[in-house]
Amino acid sequence: QSALIQEASVSGTVGQRVTLSCSGNSNNIGTYAVGWYRQISHGAPKTVMFGNSLASGIPDRFSGSKSGTTASLTISGLQPEDEADYYCSTWDYSLSAHVFGTGTKVTVL
Amino acid sequence: EVRLVESGGGLVQAGGSLRLSCEASRFTFSNYWVSWVRQAPGKGLEWVANIKEGGSEQYYVDSVKGRFTLSRDNAGNSLSLQMNSLRAEDTAVYYCGMGSLYAFDIWGQGTVVTVAS
Repeated sequence: QSALIQEASVSGTVGQRVTLSCSGNSNNIGTYAVGWYRQISHGAPKTVMFGNSLASGIPDRFSGSKSGTTASLTISGLQPEDEADYYCSTWDYSLSAHVFGTGTKVTVL
Repeated sequence: EVRLVESGGGLVQAGGSLRLSCEASRFTFSNYWVSWVRQAPGKGLEWVANIKEGGSEQYYVDSVKGRFTLSRDNAGNSLSLQMNSLRAEDTAVYYCGMGSLYAFDIWGQGTVVTVAS
């Protein structure tokens, strides 16, 4: 099954605003809301955004949006503890499958 | 605290079988879609299969169709994944994820499956 496309890496300094993108098509992001997850050192994933809602325990410097077939996760005020791998995902009705993004590594300089 | 706990992973020879379990606590398990998601060493997340709240619908990634079978016991708050005809490429950490059709809200800590070729 096809993956959603994310930047391989994004970096920023402490306090900077960074935006991660997740590109799909009309069969997935164009139809369904998106989830965002972060993973530190290949530990268990943790949900950051569940559709339009910030997940429990996630600071409000994280926000999500969607325009057409692209979803975005913005970190406003990057912190050292935000360094992690971030994945997006949603359902694809043409594939009858859940699809994940390729993942973005966020580095805090 | 809402929790998902996976078990059943281990080392198995290619062609063998394993049964993974995911037990839920402190939430109404029957209200949610539940999935298995895996991560091979050094790779990204890959969805494996999911099952609707009442169990009436199940979906699988193409690579496991006909080999893996998902089932849920809502009374027992548990999910099982029967994995047959295992291949080396099934080697991964397997996570249980709970949420909706389109996103996951809660994750387990994972269980490791290693298939020796």
